[in-house]
Amino acid sequence: RKEVEQDPGPFNVPEGATVAFNCTYSNSASQSFFWYRQDCRKEPKLLMSVYSSGNEDGRFTAQLNRASQYISLLIRDSKLSDSATYLCVVFLNKFYFGSGTKLNVKP
Amino acid sequence: GAVVSQHPSWVICKSGTSVKIECRSLDFQATTMFWYRQFPKQSLMLMATSNEGSKATYEQGVEKDKFLINHASLTLSTLTVTSAHPEDSSFYICSAPVDAYIAKLFFGSGTQLSVL
Repeated sequence: RKEVEQDPGPFNVPEGATVAFNCTYSNSASQSFFWYRQDCRKEPKLLMSVYSSGNEDGRFTAQLNRASQYISLLIRDSKLSDSATYLCVVFLNKFYFGSGTKLNVKP
Repeated sequence: GAVVSQHPSWVICKSGTSVKIECRSLDFQATTMFWYRQFPKQSLMLMATSNEGSKATYEQGVEKDKFLINHASLTLSTLTVTSAHPEDSSFYICSAPVDAYIAKLFFGSGTQLSVL
């Protein structure tokens, strides 16, 4: 079983839509959680950390459910520029990357 | 913010040649550097962890004699792909934890290696 699993997508949504991604992790002892954004053939860039209490940054909201071992990312009012691959990352002594969920925002 | 500079951005080489990739931390000291490989539509896979002044730690299945890692200073780590073959063609990327708690990473811009 992979340490971090994500639906690869793609999620094709119109501009202005709300879209949500989930990610599950296998080790309940995992310590830190992140969402990264990666554009094609570019380096991943930190989008936001994920906290148990949930956290929001503008149009982006992240949630962590430790009991069910999943992490979510909600994007409201999608923009064309949100089109990218979103990587779920879990840290437990080292970083484990999900394979990413591809988002295509259409005009 | 913290910056990791990676060079070259892309390289095309003939089979059997060696390729060196450099990662430099520009405004902080990186005692640790992670080296990843990413094949198309796949996740980043950790290859090895380099530590300044000591031997790198390789992940299972990664050949240490083929992927030579050197971390000779607090600002420079290098990955050399020796005797590259077409199956080594991939996107290689380095990253360094920014603080002592290594809870966040900053990435180099990546190197696309194509072996003919």
